[in-house]
Amino acid sequence: DTAVSQTPKYLVTQMGNDKSIKCEQNLGHDTMYWYKQDSKKFLKIMFSYNNKELIINETVPNRFSPKSPDKAHLNLHINSLELGDSAVYFCASSQNRDYHQSGYYNEQFFGPGTRLTVL
Amino acid sequence: ELKVEQNPLFLSMQEGKNYTIYCNYSTTSDRLYWYRQDPGKSLESLFVLLSNGAVKQEGRLMASLDTKARLSTLHITAAVHDLSATYFCAVDRGYGGATNKLIFGTGTLLAVQP
Repeated sequence: DTAVSQTPKYLVTQMGNDKSIKCEQNLGHDTMYWYKQDSKKFLKIMFSYNNKELIINETVPNRFSPKSPDKAHLNLHINSLELGDSAVYFCASSQNRDYHQSGYYNEQFFGPGTRLTVL
Repeated sequence: ELKVEQNPLFLSMQEGKNYTIYCNYSTTSDRLYWYRQDPGKSLESLFVLLSNGAVKQEGRLMASLDTKARLSTLHITAAVHDLSATYFCAVDRGYGGATNKLIFGTGTLLAVQP
């Protein structure tokens, strides 16, 4: 009955390798996100997909490529891993049809995170 | 660019005491969210504040939003150890259409001592 799930939970790899993180949500939400949380716990959005379409693409190296096969899944592939990529990566989802008088709002629900360590 | 600042960054408080965490942001928004993160865990949604003057309460936590001052507060009443966690505010920055973007604050690490 997990709402937003990610695999793997931990990922330890060598510099230069390519790795993927998978995310799935069973909430029926339209929009999914990838966030990076650094060692100081600062949380920053990387990408957002709405119904399989890329909407937000922040200043992220081209080595990071998201893919959304359907609106319930958003995967993150990272090429040529670098030491600075070590972080916790969170997937999230939201239902953007939630509407208040001031417009759409965006309560996001987060997955458990993937701790990536690049050696 | 929207900046979101929280203070304090670290708060050590005794059980039974009251305290307030502040979240200031730099540009107009009337949607703000509070999240809780336990060590090594995910982010849990606590409050959704959607208009000026909005106030939400859950147990010992109460959140409010003043959009004119660009300020949200998270007030802790009679703290208990179980409230120890990192608390984040996040400001909703519309991105056009039905898409929104959250800008997170720096986080406040709360440690409640017995």
